[in-house]
Amino acid sequence: GESVGLHLPTLSVQEGDNSIINCAYSNSASDYFIWYKQESGKGPQFIIDIRSNMDKRQGQRVTVLLNKTVKHLSLQIAATQPGDSAVYFCAENLGTGANSKLTFGKGITLSVRP
Amino acid sequence: SQTIHQWPATLVQPVGSPLSLECTVEGTSNPNLYWYRQAAGRGLQLLFYSIGIGQISSEVPQNLSASRPQDRQFILSSKKLLLSDSGFYLCAWSLTRTYGYTFGSGTRLTVV
Repeated sequence: GESVGLHLPTLSVQEGDNSIINCAYSNSASDYFIWYKQESGKGPQFIIDIRSNMDKRQGQRVTVLLNKTVKHLSLQIAATQPGDSAVYFCAENLGTGANSKLTFGKGITLSVRP
Repeated sequence: SQTIHQWPATLVQPVGSPLSLECTVEGTSNPNLYWYRQAAGRGLQLLFYSIGIGQISSEVPQNLSASRPQDRQFILSSKKLLLSDSGFYLCAWSLTRTYGYTFGSGTRLTVV
């Protein structure tokens, strides 16, 4: 369902290290998942998506892993940079056909230490 | 290419005043349109979505309403704002369920 949650948890990583951001989704019937990045004062930006018939998908410096057994989604960022500092949201697609809509997770703040 | 425009970027309104936020999409036809609200330091809450002109679904009971007078125009309104309406309002569009949403740049609303 809707996710307007508590104040966001924070992940702090050293610049150059790899980051792993985790997300637990709610509905085993969800078949499409997205990771978004939101910088302060801006709208969320699409990072990478994955369909439920896949376990892994790679982009530029990012990898999304999907474990349907435990309803878990993760975003891995390689060689984390200061520009990666932002709030990251996972989203799952609920509903069917034209009435489908994304439900967002609570978000995690990624803070990159120089 | 498709673009989404949302305005104004910031708005300060007194309690009890009306509200009208507008969102338009260019470069596509019959998009699904969405209004989200984000309270400070929190996640995204879906307020309304629309699959076509005049078709609005409300996700949560509230002081706001939405309208879609044209295919690529989505408006968020209120007759009388409350303090609790303050937040960051985001419009988004998608073509089908197999595409991710594209968000606008948001409107920061402060009700005083």
